[in-house]
Amino acid sequence: GENVEQHPSTLSVQEGDSAVIKCTYSDSASNYFPWYKQELGKGPQLIIDIRSNVGEKKDQRIAVTLNKTAKHFSLHITETQPEDSAVYFCASRRDSGYSTLTFGKGTMLLVSP
Amino acid sequence: KAGVTQTPRYLIKTRGQQVTLSCSPISGHRSVSWYQQTPGQGLQFLFEYFSETQRNKGNFPGRFSGRQFSNSRSEMNVSTLELGDSALYLCASSENTEAFFGQGTRLTVV
Repeated sequence: GENVEQHPSTLSVQEGDSAVIKCTYSDSASNYFPWYKQELGKGPQLIIDIRSNVGEKKDQRIAVTLNKTAKHFSLHITETQPEDSAVYFCASRRDSGYSTLTFGKGTMLLVSP
Repeated sequence: KAGVTQTPRYLIKTRGQQVTLSCSPISGHRSVSWYQQTPGQGLQFLFEYFSETQRNKGNFPGRFSGRQFSNSRSEMNVSTLELGDSALYLCASSENTEAFFGQGTRLTVV
């Protein structure tokens, strides 16, 4: 089955710095890659996703890049703010009706003021 | 549009008991997936229901079961609870590709 590796497990940055979280996947047929943000006491929130026919996608301060050849994708957060502090999960799946999401282990991001 | 609603938010049960958790998906979404989240194992897939049929199942023992009703609401049941079942149980609602999670039910087994 699919395996998703996520690094780093913890990441501390100063407010205003950039943060990068990286994931690799094993199933070459995976073609949908979402990122979730989970704040304390809440469920994961979908923040951005990318499909395999696109190499990069941006939404304000967050962006995701995908390298299908190398089977890795990354989340980039620019101009970090304290409210960005949370656990971030990457995931992958085949974009078909019978496939499920496989998650990475998560990255705890701490943004210090 | 209302989000995914899970009830109850918190539960404390004793070993050997059984428990039922409920999930109401986003209106119009036919797929409900359940995940177990623990600090050590992360998010692990339990099962997925689509239009009242179990479509996918993860690698969990038969003590974990679920069902989906005609209005897409889903329940999961855990029988003969063990201490190791203590976790945050999350359900995710989807209609096409994107999956949206509820707040989860925090189950503590004592």
